[in-house]
Amino acid sequence: DVKVTQSSRYLVKRTGEKVFLECVQDMDHENMFWYRQDPGLGLRLIYFSYDVKMKEKGDIPEGYSVSREKKERFSLILESASTNQTSMYLCASSSLGDEQFFGPGTRLTVL
Amino acid sequence: GQQLNQSPQSMFIQEGEDVSMNCTSSSIFNTWLWYKQEPGEGPVLLIALYKAGELTSNGRLTAQFGITRKDSFLNISASIPSDVGIYFCAGGFLIQGGSEKLVFGKGTKLTVNP
Repeated sequence: DVKVTQSSRYLVKRTGEKVFLECVQDMDHENMFWYRQDPGLGLRLIYFSYDVKMKEKGDIPEGYSVSREKKERFSLILESASTNQTSMYLCASSSLGDEQFFGPGTRLTVL
Repeated sequence: GQQLNQSPQSMFIQEGEDVSMNCTSSSIFNTWLWYKQEPGEGPVLLIALYKAGELTSNGRLTAQFGITRKDSFLNISASIPSDVGIYFCAGGFLIQGGSEKLVFGKGTKLTVNP
């Protein structure tokens, strides 16, 4: 079974803090993705990576950056968290041309 | 950019009833996927469709990839209480390096009354 794990299920941070969300997959997938999910808006792609050290902007990259130093790990970074970044963050991974598998999500609250 | 229109937004049904939901778009997709999400969890893949016209079943679930490649439907037969959750459609299109990017519908929230 594909396993995608995320470092935290729940996280509470203060405005202006730097936040790291970690995602690890154990299936040697080339592609990894970060989404945010908000009520009424569905899932929106923030960033994705199709190889180590490669990254591409998704639909809503503003306020975020990512890092992929190892194939199995994809980190989402909020340089200076803001209240409008309170959301559910979902990581996914896939092999080339294959369907995406999701982690359990991190519910981030920024106060 | 591509957008998916998923309907209905929500459904309240009695146990044993059949359910149908669909997604449409003005864009063409290479794949259609259907996911289910339960509260506090990430989406779980139910069915993946790869060819226009393809009809695929997974237990009580049946999904079809529209012949125009612009739509898909999901049917659930004889619903049971554990079918509750939010169902998402996703259309996939190829990007650089052979990777696939997904566009998601906004979800159909299903409630099943025992």
